[in-house]
Amino acid sequence: NAGVTQTPKFQVLKTGQSMTLQCAQDMNHNSMYWYRQDPGMGLRLIYYSASEGTTDKGEVPNGYNVSRLNKREFSLRLESAAPSQTSVYFCASSLRQGSSQPQHFGDGTRLSIL
Amino acid sequence: SQELEQSPQSLIVQEGKNLTINCTSSKTLYGLYWYKQKYGEGLIFLMMLQKGGEEKSHEKITAKLDEKKQQSSLHITASQPSHAGIYLCGADFWTGNQFYFGTGTSLTVIP
Repeated sequence: NAGVTQTPKFQVLKTGQSMTLQCAQDMNHNSMYWYRQDPGMGLRLIYYSASEGTTDKGEVPNGYNVSRLNKREFSLRLESAAPSQTSVYFCASSLRQGSSQPQHFGDGTRLSIL
Repeated sequence: SQELEQSPQSLIVQEGKNLTINCTSSKTLYGLYWYKQKYGEGLIFLMMLQKGGEEKSHEKITAKLDEKKQQSSLHITASQPSHAGIYLCGADFWTGNQFYFGTGTSLTVIP
């Protein structure tokens, strides 16, 4: 039972480098999400995809882009990494967006930008 | 998230003690979700509450949603070291289609 799989688990980047975080789910969920978790800030939504073919901005989208490659995969791209993007990134999925649908989370990607 | 306020920020209790974590919103919630996060890991879904006055239990953890659907509490009875971790509340609202999380409560249980 893989659930939501994120790769890589850890990454160190230099300022200005680009990187794509990968996320895949095997639960046939329609909706997928990217969050970042920072001390004292909790989890903040970066982007979400309510269904295959759609993506929308969340609370903190600046500096990020996403691609919903297919129903299973949702990637997050940092085009030019900045130290402020040092964080733990979580991908989540749910059967569909909205009520009564808990989100299932991956184990996170710990990203440090020097 | 400013949409959800969680308290306390951290809690240290002796094994066997009861404890309560609160989650408050300024707006009426559509759904309230409780998650647990072990240090260095992802979030595990615990319970979901939707109806005003609803109460759910799982093992020694009970969650309640008030009648006005603006406040939820998570109560752990006879805490154990296995309960240690970060508890987060999450919610969606009637307006908008985004999901918000509280800042979390870090729970330490001392054997």
